Amino acid sequence: ETGVTQTPRHLVMGMTNKKSLKCEQHLGHNAMYWYKQSAKKPLELMFVYSLEERVENNSVPSRFSPECPNSSHLFLHLHTLQPEDSALYLCASSQREGLGPLHFGNGTRLTVT
Amino acid sequence: AQSVTQPDIHITVSEGASLELRCNYSYGATPYLFWYVQSPGQGLQLLLKYFSGDTLVQGIKGFEAEFKRSQSSFNLRKPSVHWSDAAEYFCAVGPPYSGGGADGLTFGKGTHLIIQP
Repeated sequence: ETGVTQTPRHLVMGMTNKKSLKCEQHLGHNAMYWYKQSAKKPLELMFVYSLEERVENNSVPSRFSPECPNSSHLFLHLHTLQPEDSALYLCASSQREGLGPLHFGNGTRLTVT
Repeated sequence: AQSVTQPDIHITVSEGASLELRCNYSYGATPYLFWYVQSPGQGLQLLLKYFSGDTLVQGIKGFEAEFKRSQSSFNLRKPSVHWSDAAEYFCAVGPPYSGGGADGLTFGKGTHLIIQP
């Protein structure tokens, strides 16, 4: 399997649920990212991990909790979400140095009811 | 602060016709510039990038883009579109040191391309 794989593809959860999104990359990259894509808005960078260390957290609410156990895997743990958190969550990877661009997964479509 | 403007939210083009999608940026120096495409139900895929050198860059799927410093633009073009080109197109800019990774990368809001038969 190659590229960036995200699971699940679709997720419906209530506001009191706890769930996790998973991302796996098979490209040998050393940086991984979470983005939020909402309708009519630019792509929002949420978290950046480089060499498994979190290097950026763009004022994301604490109900979103990332985890990067190794350079190939990235999780986004979700709890007590709000309906406005419904969106497409995209994972991406890249080489931290040099001229490598982002490689995206197909995303998880999250609906909070 | 850097910014990206894609003036057209939707564009409709007949199959076989030429295409130009506009992108204007605001940045203090010459940034790194990118075009990504997102087909329905998928993530973003890099079409092409400009770092330096020749201002006309070729990408995948027959796309090209031209960097015009005087106009702060990086418009995407294709001479003849196919129905499979229907998708969302995103322009992005980043600082010259970024290498295209997410740090400092700013995306436009996207242009939705509709292909008429």
